[in-house]
Amino acid sequence: AQTVTQSQPEMSVQEAETVTLSCTYDTSESNYYLFWYKQPPSRQMILVIRQEAYKQQNATENRFSVNFQKAAKSFSLKISDSQLGDTAMYFCAFLRGSNYKLTFGKGTLLTVNP
Amino acid sequence: DTGVSQDPRHKITKRGQNVTFRCDPISEHNRLYWYRQTLGQGPEFLTYFQNEAQLEKSRLLSDRFSAERPKGSFSTLEIQRTEQGDSAMYLCASSLVDSKPGGGQETQYFGPGTRLLVL
Repeated sequence: AQTVTQSQPEMSVQEAETVTLSCTYDTSESNYYLFWYKQPPSRQMILVIRQEAYKQQNATENRFSVNFQKAAKSFSLKISDSQLGDTAMYFCAFLRGSNYKLTFGKGTLLTVNP
Repeated sequence: DTGVSQDPRHKITKRGQNVTFRCDPISEHNRLYWYRQTLGQGPEFLTYFQNEAQLEKSRLLSDRFSAERPKGSFSTLEIQRTEQGDSAMYLCASSLVDSKPGGGQETQYFGPGTRLLVL
């Protein structure tokens, strides 16, 4: 079974600064996908960024980028120029290539302070 | 808005009552998923549909839970004889999975959830 570990239950960052959220996973699969989802307080979960395991290039979406280290099974999220609207719970999730269900970590609560 | 929608957004019920939730996926999405999220945890998979067929159920889904997707469009999740331990956020997600060789998996898009409180 796959497991996803987010070792930082809570983090805070000052507005306009950069923050990195950590995620590690355990799998014996070679074909899989990794995701970061954002869940703002009392609002729905939205996709931040996704990474296909077969791609060596790290995914980037505007201020969000990942550091995907396949051998180390690490998938960290970097948020640059943090904004107040980035305050949310961030979940790392794993999807096996031939599978259908996402396996989530427990989440990291990120607070962006003015 | 063409995103995933869920109804109701909140439900308070007494222990022993039955409740039913509805999920409308993104149009044309052929897969629909149900997850449960308890406080301080990430979502956990419950079940999923490929079109109208329910293909997998988690061990978390006891006999009191039943889900349907009768015409391959919207889905309902019913909980019979609710228990306090059923209190959680129930999330629905949908995706479009390409069945052609090399189509790969697509991203799951989530609805706003139904928050259930069982008293």
